Amino acid sequence: AQTVTQSQPEMSVQEAETVTLSCTYDTSESNYYLFWYKQPPSRQMILVIRQEAYKQQNATENRFSVNFQKAAKSFSLKISDSQLGDTAMYFCAFMKHVTGTYKYIFGTGTRLKVLA
Amino acid sequence: NAGVMQNPRHLVRRRGQEARLRCSPMKGHSHVYWYRQLPEEGLKFMVYLQKENIIDESGMPKERFSAEFPKEGPSILRIQQVVRGDSAAYFCASSPVQVSYNEQFFGPGTRLTVL
Repeated sequence: AQTVTQSQPEMSVQEAETVTLSCTYDTSESNYYLFWYKQPPSRQMILVIRQEAYKQQNATENRFSVNFQKAAKSFSLKISDSQLGDTAMYFCAFMKHVTGTYKYIFGTGTRLKVLA
Repeated sequence: NAGVMQNPRHLVRRRGQEARLRCSPMKGHSHVYWYRQLPEEGLKFMVYLQKENIIDESGMPKERFSAEFPKEGPSILRIQQVVRGDSAAYFCASSPVQVSYNEQFFGPGTRLTVL
């Protein structure tokens, strides 16, 4: 069974600084997808960034980038130039890509607080 | 294009009552997923439905919980005889039939409180 581990329950960062959130996962699959979701106090789940396992290049979306280490089964999220609006829970998620069920497996989350 | 709609946003029930949670997927989406988020935890998969079919209910509790996605109308997650442990946020997500990857689009969630 697949598992996703986020070992940092809480983190804080000064505004404009850079922060990295860790995520490791366990799977025997070779083809899958990884995601980072943001959940602000409104509780809406917002997709931050996605990565296809077959792509070696790390995904980037503006101030958000990932460090995907497939052999190590690691998928960390780097937030550059942190803003107050980045304060939220961040969830790492795994999705297996096969015909049939397409369910996410989420980690337990990291609560990020950006300090003014 | 409206996003995934869920209603109600907040639902309060007393122990033993029934809770009905509704989810309207995005236009053109025929796949619906339900997830539950207990306080201070991540989302946990409950059930995956296509129109008129339950595809995967491996995350559903064996008793009191049921889900449907009829040919017409929203998907319904039904919880009978609610208990305090059912208090959680319930999220619905939808995806289209064919995409290169199956990103799911989430609704705003329904927060269920059982008194």
